[in-house]
Amino acid sequence: SQKIEQNSEALNIQEGKTATLTCNYTNYSPAYLQWYRQDPGRGPVFLLLIRENEKEKRKERLKVTFDTTLKQSLFHITASQPADSATYLCALDTGRRALTFGSGTRLQVQP
Amino acid sequence: DAGVIQSPRHEVTEMGQEVTLRCKPISGHDYLFWYRQTMMRGLELLIYFNNNVPIDDSGMPEDRFSAKMPNASFSTLKIQPSEPRDSAVYFCASSQSSAEAFFGQGTRLTVV
Repeated sequence: SQKIEQNSEALNIQEGKTATLTCNYTNYSPAYLQWYRQDPGRGPVFLLLIRENEKEKRKERLKVTFDTTLKQSLFHITASQPADSATYLCALDTGRRALTFGSGTRLQVQP
Repeated sequence: DAGVIQSPRHEVTEMGQEVTLRCKPISGHDYLFWYRQTMMRGLELLIYFNNNVPIDDSGMPEDRFSAKMPNASFSTLKIQPSEPRDSAVYFCASSQSSAEAFFGQGTRLTVV
């Protein structure tokens, strides 16, 4: 069956360190993968999109990698700040032209 | 643009009652999605529309759920009759040609 897994439910790191979040998928061949941020009580907000023929994408302190052989995406936040604390969701276009989301990783950045 | 607008923000209703959730997508977006989020199941796609036409409703839990999009600027999700297990946060999202999705603030539904 198709599955999207985000490696951990929660991740705690110190301010200034790099946070690395993992998204693994099985039985998909996605055309692209997206990462979203969700704060409590709010809807998800789009961060980055990476296509199947791209290895890496950057936006300010954010970096996403996409390995279609390993069926894995890594999401990095460098120089993390307490304001980066949120839940981060990966999402795949599963061929239905709609997104299927992982369960999310709750990131807590300690000052 | 004000973004995707959902109403109401909160809804508390008794089991068996009809519930209608509303969504106004971003102008010019041709895709509209309804998602449901719970702690147990995460964010699940219920149904989506392209140019006001339902494309995939395989995520709709059962016949008690129905969705309509009478025009490009309005959609509804209806639950009739509602049950306690329908309690969740319901999100509407819109996008252009199925790229990045813009989500509304959600409707928190509690069925007692």
